[in-house]
Amino acid sequence: GESVGLHLPTLSVQEGDNSIINCAYSNSASDYFIWYKQESGKGPQFIIDIRSNMDKRQGQRVTVLLNKTVKHLSLQIAATQPGDSAVYFCAENPPGTYKYIFGTGTRLKVLA
Amino acid sequence: DTAVSQTPKYLVTQMGNDKSIKCEQNLGHDTMYWYKQDSKKFLKIMFSYNNKELIINETVPNRFSPKSPDKAHLNLHINSLELGDSAVYFCASSRTGNELFFGEGSRLTVL
Repeated sequence: GESVGLHLPTLSVQEGDNSIINCAYSNSASDYFIWYKQESGKGPQFIIDIRSNMDKRQGQRVTVLLNKTVKHLSLQIAATQPGDSAVYFCAENPPGTYKYIFGTGTRLKVLA
Repeated sequence: DTAVSQTPKYLVTQMGNDKSIKCEQNLGHDTMYWYKQDSKKFLKIMFSYNNKELIINETVPNRFSPKSPDKAHLNLHINSLELGDSAVYFCASSRTGNELFFGEGSRLTVL
């Protein structure tokens, strides 16, 4: 079956440090990628997206990097705050499909 | 003001029963989805409808039947519930080629 990422790691960071969450995607033809944040008991929330004609996109405190050569996506969170604690998912959208394929996620824990 | 709303939020039922989860979106999107999230947080697509037509039907037991009465609604009916159906079910919607908007989830527990 298709998959994005293969395990659910936990990343622990000190409050105020930068966080980097990584994701390996499976379909080299995918042309649209999204990062989601899921807090406990809630649905996934959109953070930032990037299309395959770009390799970097910045938002407020977040940056997404796309490396199509190695099918790798990363989410950088600057000055991590306790409210950033959540599970983060990447998702890929192969061209010409309505399907969004999610990775297994990374749990981010922010230490005070 | 809720963009994607699904009910019920919690559902506890016995094996063998039939249950439904309802979803509505007020975003004017043309595509709606059902995803299943297991205990390990893995999100797996089940179904998708575009303009009331079924466009994605993953390998899901035929005990699961989606129904889309109109573009703003996508319901999920599950027959003969089994223990393995216990999960959180998320409804989502999107405008074609753009990000998904998720509901808050419906936690189904089968006893």
